[in-house]
Amino acid sequence: ETGVTQTPRHLVMGMTNKKSLKCEQHLGHNAMYWYKQSAKKPLELMFVYNFKEQTENNSVPSRFSPECPNSSHLFLHLHTLQPEDSALYLCASSRAYEGLGNTIYFGEGSWLTVV
Amino acid sequence: EDQVTQSPEALRLQEGESSSLNCSYTVSGLRGLFWYRQDPGKGPEFLFTLYSAGEEKEKERLKATLTKKESFLHITAPKPEDSATYLCAVQAEGTALIFGKGTTLSVSS
Repeated sequence: ETGVTQTPRHLVMGMTNKKSLKCEQHLGHNAMYWYKQSAKKPLELMFVYNFKEQTENNSVPSRFSPECPNSSHLFLHLHTLQPEDSALYLCASSRAYEGLGNTIYFGEGSWLTVV
Repeated sequence: EDQVTQSPEALRLQEGESSSLNCSYTVSGLRGLFWYRQDPGKGPEFLFTLYSAGEEKEKERLKATLTKKESFLHITAPKPEDSATYLCAVQAEGTALIFGKGTTLSVSS
């Protein structure tokens, strides 16, 4: 099931730049997520929004700032990043945050390189 | 502490050589166990959800099974296009999905 769109697919930014990642879901879901995927590591949950309200922030540095204006759109604002922040950033959505068998559907990801 | 461990880390098979991937977990209050497939440079693609021990699900050459402590993803007569990283995740009560590191499968013809 596709329906989660992420832009841009690739982003190269300097450590002093400010940029944003955008995610849009067309599945009618109420929960949206940002995950970080680095080599040799499990997917790391960064933020969760349920009905536009942030429900989880997994000790993410303040240089990452999420925004969820409505249930269909999610942004990740980036500023003053470090080279170790280079990774694949995945947006995902699900019908709700909790509940039995709450399947999460992912977008294609945004490859971020910090130079 | 809730944990998900996948093994092996990497698996190389010949076309037609059946095998299994393992996902062992320790969570309190399992709400579901999920399998995803991820191709290089792409987001994970949902495959299966399993809810209770004894449950099985099939899709083409893939079959997922669940016990109280682990899940297996059986691949029967794999083809090169089955090459990918397979991710396992569990959902416990009141939490988001917890993912394992994945098993990278390579199938050669």
